[in-house]
Amino acid sequence: DAGVTQSPTHLIKTRGQHVTLRCSPISGHKSVSWYQQVLGQGPQFIFQYYEKEERGRGNFPDRFSARQFPNYSSELNVNALLLGDSALYLCASSWIVARTEAFFGQGTRLTVV
Amino acid sequence: SQQGEEDPQALSIQEGENATMNCSYKTSINNLQWYRQNSGRGLVHLILIRSNEREKHSGRLRVTLDTSKKSSSLLITASRAADTASYFCATDANTGTASKLTFGTGTRLQVTL
Repeated sequence: DAGVTQSPTHLIKTRGQHVTLRCSPISGHKSVSWYQQVLGQGPQFIFQYYEKEERGRGNFPDRFSARQFPNYSSELNVNALLLGDSALYLCASSWIVARTEAFFGQGTRLTVV
Repeated sequence: SQQGEEDPQALSIQEGENATMNCSYKTSINNLQWYRQNSGRGLVHLILIRSNEREKHSGRLRVTLDTSKKSSSLLITASRAADTASYFCATDANTGTASKLTFGTGTRLQVTL
């Protein structure tokens, strides 16, 4: 079985631009979560989606948005990029919404210049 | 914000030795999970311990949980060079309608030959 796949693996954007990151969960998993990991720190929760509905949102500005599609894949969108948005963006999937282990993708390394 | 702290921040041991990492957290939890991260890429789930459990084993891993002290420890026995990675604890405090993993700051483990 394929694991969680994320695309692209690396991305360089300019301040003020928009970026879309994509995630395909493990087959059969209906929950997708997004995390931001700044260098030297632990991942921080951004969003969780389950059955196409937003179930949780972390402490991130409205420039961050996400959605989940009928096939359970997900997109994370970030508008008006700032230098501080440079980070590793991780997607995690799980088969139920809570109280279970999460399976992470390899992440998308976003650099804002 | 980070839920808690891992201790130590960095640990260097020789192959064959045991490695112990500690994690403290701040709020009541449903479960606590340990993850490994190699070279700033995706996280790999190692073990999940529920709030009503005190100890759990998986291969060379032993995890303890003390909810009265809001702390956990991860013991890796007979370490190998391949265990070199960053290790994170993550707490899941939600009630069931959503899952938000809150990660600590991580312990960087270096295992030398």
